[in-house]
Amino acid sequence: NAGVMQNPRHLVRRRGQEARLRCSPMKGHSHVYWYRQLPEEGLKFMVYLQKENIIDESGMPKERFSAEFPKEGPSILRIQQVVRGDSAAYFCASSYSGLAGGKIGEQYFGPGTRLTVT
Amino acid sequence: GEDVEQSLFLSVREGDSSVINCTYTDSSSTYLYWYKQEPGAGLQLLTYIFSNMDMKQDQRLTVLLNKKDKHLSLRIADTQTGDSAIYFCAELPIAGGTSYGKLTFGQGTILTVHP
Repeated sequence: NAGVMQNPRHLVRRRGQEARLRCSPMKGHSHVYWYRQLPEEGLKFMVYLQKENIIDESGMPKERFSAEFPKEGPSILRIQQVVRGDSAAYFCASSYSGLAGGKIGEQYFGPGTRLTVT
Repeated sequence: GEDVEQSLFLSVREGDSSVINCTYTDSSSTYLYWYKQEPGAGLQLLTYIFSNMDMKQDQRLTVLLNKKDKHLSLRIADTQTGDSAIYFCAELPIAGGTSYGKLTFGQGTILTVHP
């Protein structure tokens, strides 16, 4: 029973390039969340997606960032024209249900993608 | 408000108890979680409590909730060197009986366990 998978684990990009981060949720989970962890900080919510729908993107920067969760395939977090301030660990989590409430809403986290912008 | 706050560092001796504290600010019903993060790894859910509970115990872990003061603590009994990690508390408020999983995290407490 594979957990949440993220790839790549480490990604190095030059300023101005694009970064694509992938997340495959746990089997049976159709809700995906992306969080960003800046150095020495806690995780900050970015976006919540269900299959083919963005439910809440209130934590996403207005420009350069986008996310999708297609009907088939992993969820993708895309950062265009990266800048040094985008360097962070990006974590994906998945849950069986989007509703909070004990076990069904539990979020399981992937190992993260560590993005370094040079 | 959405601020969840934790003390940044805690150092204990192996075999002692560790107590990690957290304050949250949402006044409505809420779920409160404790996660553990080891170096270079993702977050592992340790335990959670709903705000209508005062205490929850799970093996070496005890969660205490003081709803009046919006204070949450995680006690680890018989702390081992393998418990050295960053511990995050996180809040998930319930709105109108339902909510979705927009967790708000504290900045994390670095627990160091000395032999």
